[in-house]
Amino acid sequence: EVQLVESGGGLVQPGGSLRLSCAASGFTFSSYWMSWVRQAPGTGLEWVANIKPDGSEKYYMDSVKGRFSISRDNAKNSLYLQMNSLRAEDTAVYYCASYRVAHAFDIWGQGTMVAVSS
Amino acid sequence: QSALTQPPSASGSPGQSVTISCTGTSSDVGGYNYVSWYQQHPGKAPKLMIYEVSKRPSGVPDRFSGSKSGNTASLTVSGLQAEDEADYYCSSFAGSFYVFGTGTKVTVL
Repeated sequence: EVQLVESGGGLVQPGGSLRLSCAASGFTFSSYWMSWVRQAPGTGLEWVANIKPDGSEKYYMDSVKGRFSISRDNAKNSLYLQMNSLRAEDTAVYYCASYRVAHAFDIWGQGTMVAVSS
Repeated sequence: QSALTQPPSASGSPGQSVTISCTGTSSDVGGYNYVSWYQQHPGKAPKLMIYEVSKRPSGVPDRFSGSKSGNTASLTVSGLQAEDEADYYCSSFAGSFYVFGTGTKVTVL
């Protein structure tokens, strides 16, 4: 079964750090671009970052550049998001997603909640 | 990186059709044939319904169809069913990043 499972979310104080993980199974993880997409409570989807299959290219939304870092370990079929200098506006459910079809997110995890609050 | 514009809500009776618009710019929707649509039920992860403007993934009913004209893409749901009641989001490739729409809540009356 094709599956993505996120972990690592939780409650963190403003200015703090958190590392999200996403475990992939059922498909050739190392062949596909991967992304993180977030959804703040009661709002819409927001693309956060993506990474090339070999990890050589990474792109970020403007508001997280310099604070978030996306990475992957193809030997472990895992995707990561290191989040530093967290702000209240980063509070959201974070989904990992793959795009095995052209520029469309066809596999999604169940999401992990990140809450930034004092 | 501005969000694509969608109407907040749309509705129709069972069996009717509903069309949702998604308006962007020449830098995203108008510049690439990489518009996709997602269905999201409350508390669930999004599900891909349409990719590359009008292609349906395996398992998605042919009641769902997509199109694009200029900077505006559209999703049409024909023969509305109760299970189609959900939030729908469009998305477009924009060069080196992706932008999502503001979302449309579809209600089946």
